[in-house]
Amino acid sequence: DIQMTQSPSSVSASVGDRVTITCRASQGISSWLAWYQQKPGKAPKLLMYAASSLQSGVPSRFSGSGSGTDFTLTISSLQPEDFATYYCQHTNTFPHTFGQGTKLEIK
Amino acid sequence: EVQLLESGGGLVQPGGSLRLSCAASGFTFSSYAMSWVRQAPGKGLEWVSVISGSAGGTYYADSVKGRFTISRDNSKKTLYLQMNSLRVEDTAVYYCAKHYGSGKYNHGMDVWGQGTTVTVSS
Repeated sequence: DIQMTQSPSSVSASVGDRVTITCRASQGISSWLAWYQQKPGKAPKLLMYAASSLQSGVPSRFSGSGSGTDFTLTISSLQPEDFATYYCQHTNTFPHTFGQGTKLEIK
Repeated sequence: EVQLLESGGGLVQPGGSLRLSCAASGFTFSSYAMSWVRQAPGKGLEWVSVISGSAGGTYYADSVKGRFTISRDNSKKTLYLQMNSLRVEDTAVYYCAKHYGSGKYNHGMDVWGQGTTVTVSS
């Protein structure tokens, strides 16, 4: 099975900051990667698919890049509503494993 | 409005069984693959199982293979997860989720239910 490793596990940042979260796959997954945002007590929300495609309705300050084994999610200018936990998930072969999550906290 | 509504969670003893349901509305249910994803208390997301739109293909996480069975009734627009031989470590919020893109598995999951809680404890 493909393992997904996110870094950092947590990050503190301020409104307006640029933040980058990294996700690494244990083997190549082409561009088959999705990113989700989850707020406490809520279901996850799809942000990006196919590594760099922005899901409809998601603000353009979110962007994704990468292919093969290394991927990034970037938030260009943090807004108050962006403080949440972010998960990557590979969508290559099953099982579609998630990363362990990155908690984005207010500094 | 596209919506998923899970039900069937509850408290069950180790070794017991439970069947979760997920009622879909607002989209052509039979055209989309559906997954179950779970989240143990205070932990991250764990993908559990997927079924194709036609129910012709199913896949499972190793942690549930042989114990859980995913199925769907397209006439009722309902997804199911039959959980047998439940273990304490199966305790989690269980979400059903619709895959993005008709007939696709690879574009992530764009619609999620609110989750149903399963607690396995004696």
